[in-house]
Amino acid sequence: AQRVTQPEKLLSVFKGAPVELKCNYSYSGSPELFWYVQYSRQRLQLLLRHISRESIKGFTADLNKGETSFHLKKPFAQEEDSAMYYCARLSYNTDKLIFGTGTRLQVFP
Amino acid sequence: GAVVSQHPSWVICKSGTSVKIECRSLDFQATTMFWYRQFPKQSLMLMATSNEGSKATYEQGVEKDKFLINHASLTLSTLTVTSAHPEDSSFYICSARGVGVFGNEQFFGPGTRLTVL
Repeated sequence: AQRVTQPEKLLSVFKGAPVELKCNYSYSGSPELFWYVQYSRQRLQLLLRHISRESIKGFTADLNKGETSFHLKKPFAQEEDSAMYYCARLSYNTDKLIFGTGTRLQVFP
Repeated sequence: GAVVSQHPSWVICKSGTSVKIECRSLDFQATTMFWYRQFPKQSLMLMATSNEGSKATYEQGVEKDKFLINHASLTLSTLTVTSAHPEDSSFYICSARGVGVFGNEQFFGPGTRLTVL
């Protein structure tokens, strides 16, 4: 089965601290992976995808095939980063997104 | 660009009634729309995939007669929860995937909160 695992339900840090939200996926060919963010009372929106290797709002995520991981990182967290973060993968050979259970990031002042 | 709307944003209904939720792509043509369900503090669970002009494909465990999906045009898909019961209360989210400049990206609607009394 194709799975996406986010082991942490909640991650709390202080402003300025580094952040790493973990995501692991079950191996299946060459996965296409994404991070989505949902701010309070807002819709789900794409944060970044691994194929574009971009940095959005200071966040980066590197695909590690050896560890089957796609952790989301930011060197200095900001209060406005507080949100729910979902890791997702495109299902192999289909166009469906498979979501992890999400991690709530709380950044305290 | 790439905005998806849902209507209504919330609805309260009596048990046994049917509720229709609309999902519209406002500024692009959506060849595929997806319907998700999200329980409180849980992840999104895909319910079904609908392609314009064809029958929806339901995920395992989702009753197609319970959750009727229609994708009549490239900008509109509807989800009808038939004979709703309290256990159907949830947050329903649609997403739309277009063609051309938007590639394979899915754009999400704001969601519809359904409460069945």
